[in-house]
Amino acid sequence: GESVGLHLPTLSVQEGDNSIINCAYSNSASDYFIWYKQESGKGPQFIIDIRSNMDKRQGQRVTVLLNKTVKHLSLQIAATQPGDSAVYFCAENSGAQKLVFGQGTRLTINP
Amino acid sequence: EADIYQTPRYLVIGTGKKITLECSQTMGHDKMYWYQQDPGMELHLIHYSYGVNSTEKGDLSSESTVSRIRTEHFPLTLESARPSHTSQYLCASSPTGGDSPLHFGNGTRLTVT
Repeated sequence: GESVGLHLPTLSVQEGDNSIINCAYSNSASDYFIWYKQESGKGPQFIIDIRSNMDKRQGQRVTVLLNKTVKHLSLQIAATQPGDSAVYFCAENSGAQKLVFGQGTRLTINP
Repeated sequence: EADIYQTPRYLVIGTGKKITLECSQTMGHDKMYWYQQDPGMELHLIHYSYGVNSTEKGDLSSESTVSRIRTEHFPLTLESARPSHTSQYLCASSPTGGDSPLHFGNGTRLTVT
């Protein structure tokens, strides 16, 4: 079946450094992808999205890259801050507006 | 600022009790969803609705039921809670038409003893 997964369950970076969180997806027909940030005790919060007709999209301090050839998605966070510490999920649109979520990567920002 | 509200935030109940988790959104979204999430783990879709009087089961089998009588309200009910139902339940909504991200509530953390 279709699935979305992340390569690393945890990631630690120094404050101020850049971080990259990776995601692999299996459904080649997926055409819409989203990154969410989830802080402890809260629901997932939308960060950035990308459609399959693009390979890169930038937001404020965040960039999402999509490589459809190898079915890989990544989230780059520039100049990380303590508030970036959270669990990050990628999600893909599996069709009919149903999102399939990956397993999540816990990002820790070290002072 | 959350436009989608879930109550209660935390609930501890005994086995066999009937419970209803509330979810309301003020954004006028047609689509609403319930996801189940164990701590730190991925989200699993258990129910969704595309509008009033529309409800569908998700990818993860669940003993819960939902109803959609009003656009803004999408309650989830467990007729007889069991310890295996202990989890976090997240409600989400999205507008109709085109690709758009889901907006999530802050969840209900349910513990069944």
